Amino acid sequence: GDSVTQMEGPVTLSEEAFLTINCTYTATGYPSLFWYVQYPGEGLQLLLKATKADDKGSNKGFEATYRKETTSFHLEKGSVQVSDSAVYFCALKTWTGGATNKLIFGTGTLLAVQP
Amino acid sequence: DGGITQSPKYLFRKEGQNVTLSCEQNLNHDAMYWYRQDPGQGLRLIYYSQIVNDFQKGDIAEGYSVSREKKESFPLTVTSAQKNPTAFYLCASRPGTLLYNEQFFGPGTRLTVL
Repeated sequence: GDSVTQMEGPVTLSEEAFLTINCTYTATGYPSLFWYVQYPGEGLQLLLKATKADDKGSNKGFEATYRKETTSFHLEKGSVQVSDSAVYFCALKTWTGGATNKLIFGTGTLLAVQP
Repeated sequence: DGGITQSPKYLFRKEGQNVTLSCEQNLNHDAMYWYRQDPGQGLRLIYYSQIVNDFQKGDIAEGYSVSREKKESFPLTVTSAQKNPTAFYLCASRPGTLLYNEQFFGPGTRLTVL
């Protein structure tokens, strides 16, 4: 079945460091890919998305490129801030041809940015 | 402001009691979802509903029940049959357009069964 694998955390970085959180997927068909962010005690917020191969999603300095050849959607940011500390979830949705729209999530990666 | 409301934020219940978690949205979205989040396990789908008066089981529906009598409301009941109910529960919604992919999430309810 479809699945998402993301790197285990926690990832601990100093402020202004470069961030990469790896995400790979297994899916039939042509999935859409997402990164969601969850701040402590809150729900999930969509951070960025890509709907087809070679698309790059970007938001708030974060970027991720949909790589079909490596089935990956790695999240990157050039300079992290303390306020970026959160749990990051990679997710996919495959087009089943029906009416369902289920997201499949990775296990989440905790990012802790120290001043 | 448009959004998804979940109440209460924290909920405590004794073992063996049923409890209902509220989810309301004023986004005019057709589809609604319930997820369970446990540490280190990501989100798992409990139930979802595409339209009013219709819902389907997700991956971990056992011990849970839902109703969808109104478009804006999708309450989740955690029954005494759910063996490990303590978790963080997230409600989400999505417009009805099939090509619209992302879901919008509420703030969550943390349920603790004592």
